[in-house]
Parts: sequence; C-alpha cells; structure tokens
Amino acid sequence: GENVEQHPSTLSVQEGDSAVIKCTYSDSASNYFPWYKQELGKRPQLIIDIRSNVGEKKDQRIAVTLNKTAKHFSLHITETQPEDSAVYFCAALRVTTASKLTFGTGTRLQVTL
Amino acid sequence: DAGITQSPRHKVTETGTPVTLRCHQTENHRYMYWYRQDPGHGLRLIHYSYGVKDTDKGEVSDGYSVSRSKTEDFLLTLESATSSQTSVYFCAIRGSGGPSNEQFFGPGTRLTVL
Repeated sequence: GENVEQHPSTLSVQEGDSAVIKCTYSDSASNYFPWYKQELGKRPQLIIDIRSNVGEKKDQRIAVTLNKTAKHFSLHITETQPEDSAVYFCAALRVTTASKLTFGTGTRLQVTL
Repeated sequence: DAGITQSPRHKVTETGTPVTLRCHQTENHRYMYWYRQDPGHGLRLIHYSYGVKDTDKGEVSDGYSVSRSKTEDFLLTLESATSSQTSVYFCAIRGSGGPSNEQFFGPGTRLTVL
C-alpha cells in the first residue's frame, strides 16, 4: 500500500518568514495530494490540494509543488502569521472508487512573534 | 462542517468493555470513513463505507467493526476495548463530485480506555 513520509515533525519560524513542509510518497499511481491544517482541539480541514497533472498550485500565501518523478510534494507558506500555527498533514491518494487517503505523520508549525 | 456530527464527543471506559461511536451526516453522502489519530502516526484509516451495508477494512482495522444500516449513520464498535485503542477518532465523508473530492471531517471523539 501507499506510504507517506513527512518532514520536519516540528517547525518554528518567525512571523513574516516562510515555512516549507515536505512529503514523499511510495505509490507511483497516487494522483491526488491534499494538505490539511488542524488547529489545536479541532478537526483537520483542507487548505489546498494538487492533482498529478499539475506541477504547482497557489492560493494566496500558500502553495504546493509536486515532483512526480521524485515522488515528493511540498507545502510552502509565505509571510507566516501567528494564525498559521497548527499541525499540517499531507496525504496521498490513488483515485479509485473508494479513494482511501494515506496521511503523513504531521508537522507542528509554530509561528513566533 | 458539512453536516457531520459525532457522538459521544468524549468517553472514558474500562478495558474489556464494548464501545460504539456514532457518525451522523445530513447530506446523503455515499462514502464515509473512520480514522484514528495518535501522536506520531497522523491519521490512520480504520474502516470505510461506500454505501448502505457496504464496508471495507482500512490499515488499522484489527479490534474494530463497523456497520452502516442507513446512509446517514456509520457506527464504529470496539468489541472489547483495550488501552491501545485510547485515541481521538474522526469520522469523514467524501464530498460529491468524484473520487478525488475533498474529505470533510467530523469534530472527533476522544476515547480513553483505562
């Protein structure tokens, strides 16, 4: 089955700096890669996703890049703000009828003032 | 919140007792999922359902069973709870629009097995 590795497990940046979280996946047939943000005590929520026919996608201060050859994808957050502090999860999915997501182990991002 | 609720939200139980968690959705989605979340492991799929009475195992299904007798309800049962099943349990539904559509999560159930 699919295996997703995520690094780093914790990340501390100063407000205004950029943050990068990286994930690798094992199944070359995976073709959908969502990123979820989970604030303390709350449910995970989708913040951005990318499909395998696209190399990069941007939404305001967040962007995701995908390298299918190397089987890795990354989340980039620019101009970080305190409200960006949360745990971020990457995931991979091979689009089939059931579409089961495999998640990375999470990155705790702390944005300091 | 995509109309997903979970009950109970918190539960403390003792080893060996049966426990049932309920996921309820109001938007008639076909696909529903149960995950557990543990530090250092992220979210791991326990079981999922692709229709009434249609369920299948995920990666960590041992010790768990599920049932779906109505579209809106997906039940997760721990037949005989163990301390290793102490976790936060999230239900999710897959939005309409296709297999790669967003999964929406419920608010979670924190289960402690003493």
